[in-house]
Amino acid sequence: GAGVSQSPRYKVAKRGQDVALRCDPISGHVSLFWYQQALGQGPEFLTYFQNEAQLDKSGLPSDRFFAERPEGSVSTLKIQRTQQEDSAVYLCASSLARGIDRQPQHFGDGTRLSIL
Amino acid sequence: DQQVKQNSPSLSVQEGRISILNCDYTNSMFDYFLWYKKYPAEGPTFLISISSIKDKNEDGRFTVFLNKSAKHLSLHIVPSQPGDSAVYFCAASTWVRMIKAAVNKLTFGGGTRVLVKP
Repeated sequence: GAGVSQSPRYKVAKRGQDVALRCDPISGHVSLFWYQQALGQGPEFLTYFQNEAQLDKSGLPSDRFFAERPEGSVSTLKIQRTQQEDSAVYLCASSLARGIDRQPQHFGDGTRLSIL
Repeated sequence: DQQVKQNSPSLSVQEGRISILNCDYTNSMFDYFLWYKKYPAEGPTFLISISSIKDKNEDGRFTVFLNKSAKHLSLHIVPSQPGDSAVYFCAASTWVRMIKAAVNKLTFGGGTRVLVKP
């Protein structure tokens, strides 16, 4: 498709399990972002990739969160030893922006993660 | 510390009338602002943006106004249509210059739920 694709759309896991969330950005988009959206709030920045390089991971809440984009296209957000507070919608966005160019970010539909 | 605030959690407007959504920010380094629209179970959809060098940007029924001195921006939707019923987020960014490249991460407000009544 032409947009950002995320999978799975919904994920239910037991506390303590590891989960992996996938993002397929718009073809040719250099920049890729992960955001976390809690219920009733706006999205919050987690991490940023330019091509395969993770240039900013300042928003990752703990070392249980890990993201990668090994070939500069598809990205995976992994959460180890999940906790109930990890329950949220995880949004991926991509952008043509490089350097100082300003371009809007385009979002996928997100993965709704529920930790039981 | 909420750097971007949308103080109205909800707004109800009659079809055909104007919808005005407001957003305030505290970080004077923000220089690029965007509005996103979100339907339930979907991701945010980009609507319109404005750079800090401008005070107005218009795209069809949507106009964004920026008042830098007041650190305030607003989105006007004219005329409002039932399909505009959604949650609207304002977002702001500044360039955070990293070692290799600049990062354009977005800081979002909490959203305003708009209901357009037929």
